[in-house]
Amino acid sequence: NAGVMQNPRHLVRRRGQEARLRCSPMKGHSHVYWYRQLPEEGLKFMVYLQKENIIDESGMPKERFSAEFPKEGPSILRIQQVVRGDSAAYFCASSWGTGSIGTEAFFGQGTRLTVV
Amino acid sequence: GNSVTQMEGPVTLSEEAFLTINCTYTATGYPSLFWYVQYPGEGLQLLLKATKADDKGSNKGFEATYRKETTSFHLEKGSVQVSDSAVYFCAHQGDGGTSYGKLTFGQGTILTVHP
Repeated sequence: NAGVMQNPRHLVRRRGQEARLRCSPMKGHSHVYWYRQLPEEGLKFMVYLQKENIIDESGMPKERFSAEFPKEGPSILRIQQVVRGDSAAYFCASSWGTGSIGTEAFFGQGTRLTVV
Repeated sequence: GNSVTQMEGPVTLSEEAFLTINCTYTATGYPSLFWYVQYPGEGLQLLLKATKADDKGSNKGFEATYRKETTSFHLEKGSVQVSDSAVYFCAHQGDGGTSYGKLTFGQGTILTVHP
């Protein structure tokens, strides 16, 4: 059973371009979370999705960022018109459920976005 | 709001030394508590967890006890190894409602162990 797969591992974009980050959750997992790790900081929650639904996007910047998790295929985090401040590591996590029993979230290896 | 505060690093130790990384949290309800470890260039791996007060999580010689009275979840290891060098993150997870399963992380503590 493969773990959470993220691609690409490294992504370089020029200012103003679009970045598309992909995340395939573990088999059987229908809950996906995206987190951003800025240099020298911890991870910050961005968005929580279930299949075809955005459940909580309270951590997403209001502009240029969007996320989806279609019925078929990976979850996509899309950043339009990237700026240097978007340079960070973006981690995806998946779980089979949520709630009060400490459901473990499994993390991918991350996509390191560099905006030049 | 919910938050997690970790002791500031970096922490540098000699092999076989005792390790403590402090973690305190603020949260409503009864969150689950976690320690994650991140090795260089890698994603996060769950190290241990505790889901209710007084629970002790343990793994690979690391331990942490869920102390509700002090809202703490300090990480300890009796004898560290060079291979323990990594970044350690304390985190909590809400107990449902609008928090769902999302994790709130501390800022991370860099641990370096020298031979």
